[in-house]
Amino acid sequence: AQSVTQLGSHVSVSEGALVLLRCNYSSSVPPYLFWYVQYPNQGLQLLLKYTSAATLVKGINGFEAEFKKSETSFHLTKPSAHMSDAAEYFCAVSESGGSYIPTFGRGTSLIVHP
Amino acid sequence: DAGVIQSPRHEVTEMGQEVTLRCKPISGHDYLFWYRQTMMRGLELLIYFNNNVPIDDSGMPEDRFSAKMPNASFSTLKIQPSEPRDSAVYFCASKSTNSGNTIYFGEGSWLTVV
Repeated sequence: AQSVTQLGSHVSVSEGALVLLRCNYSSSVPPYLFWYVQYPNQGLQLLLKYTSAATLVKGINGFEAEFKKSETSFHLTKPSAHMSDAAEYFCAVSESGGSYIPTFGRGTSLIVHP
Repeated sequence: DAGVIQSPRHEVTEMGQEVTLRCKPISGHDYLFWYRQTMMRGLELLIYFNNNVPIDDSGMPEDRFSAKMPNASFSTLKIQPSEPRDSAVYFCASKSTNSGNTIYFGEGSWLTVV
């Protein structure tokens, strides 16, 4: 069975600081992993995804995530936060055993201070 | 390409009224999902269809909720009768088995039941 845990419902950083949003997953088979971003009053948009190719995945807006099988993690990072990065971020996992139906985490709200 | 299209974007209705939310998935996608998002429960999967057939409706809260997909390009989520606790954002999403299994979301329908 697949599951996702996002550590920290809120993360607060200063503008220009490193962003680190944590995601751990559980999957019985090699998973697909995703990060989505939701800006206020909008739908979820795909930020990046891992599908068993390179373990370091680059996404839009300078975000990247690294798949670490030994740690069952897929943390999202960005070297320097912008005010425009303030949003809700969701990690998701899907696998072949589950017909690739994604399971989403509870989300992490990123707050960026000037 | 047009994304997932939902209507209405916003609806305010009185308790007891029927509410119908509509969705047009991305052309060619064979899976369609209905999600509900609230502050308390986060993002919940209500039901999903594969090739227009409902596969898993275990997330539908109660009999007041029903969903249909009469053809590959249209789905509805109906609430009858509506209650204040149904106030939420309802998202439709779709994905294709043949193109990476990435799920794409609509902009959401913001429902307020007073």
